[in-house]
Amino acid sequence: AQKVTQAQTEISVVEKEDVTLDCVYETRDTTYYLFWYKQPPSGELVFLIRRNSFDEQNEISGRYSWNFQKSTSSFNFTITASQVVDSAVYFCALSGNSGGYQKVTFGIGTKLQVIP
Amino acid sequence: NAGVTQTPKFQVLKTGQSMTLQCAQDMNHNSMYWYRQDPGMGLRLIYYSASEGTTDKGEVPNGYNVSRLNKREFSLRLESAAPSQTSVYFCASSEGGPGGAGKLFFGSGTQLSVL
Repeated sequence: AQKVTQAQTEISVVEKEDVTLDCVYETRDTTYYLFWYKQPPSGELVFLIRRNSFDEQNEISGRYSWNFQKSTSSFNFTITASQVVDSAVYFCALSGNSGGYQKVTFGIGTKLQVIP
Repeated sequence: NAGVTQTPKFQVLKTGQSMTLQCAQDMNHNSMYWYRQDPGMGLRLIYYSASEGTTDKGEVPNGYNVSRLNKREFSLRLESAAPSQTSVYFCASSEGGPGGAGKLFFGSGTQLSVL
């Protein structure tokens, strides 16, 4: 069975602060993918990033960066210089080869509030 | 480009009533999914269809049925609604397989209340 844990249920930061959202996962699959999704107050879910288990390089996209560490089974997400538009619920997710990659398991989400 | 379209956006049912949630995608994706979202539970997979003609149970399939009508359409049916099925339902699609693994495109959601 696979599991995704997002221990932070809610975080509040003041605009321009940096914030890191934690994600810890469990899987027995040898090959797997990790994801982050964003759900703004409008309710729609938006894909942000996918990482496969063989690629531990950190990734940066503008103000967003992701730190994948296989040794600690973590895939953390950092927003630099946060903005009010970053306020949303962020979901970490996982899918593995034993489920044909179709069974995507989501964490419970971290609600981020950026205060102006 | 519409992406994933699901209907209705809102629905109120009485216990025991039935209804079908409709979903269609125009991205020529192979795989389609139904998730439910509940407070404190994240998103949980109800059913998925890896390709046209196949459907499989997800994490919480009890009380639901699905039909993959064709490559574009994937419907979710509640035969006898129960208050425990009050939730927000999301349809999603993906290319499928390792190449498209987990990169889901979601519909806008259906807010369902069962009284």
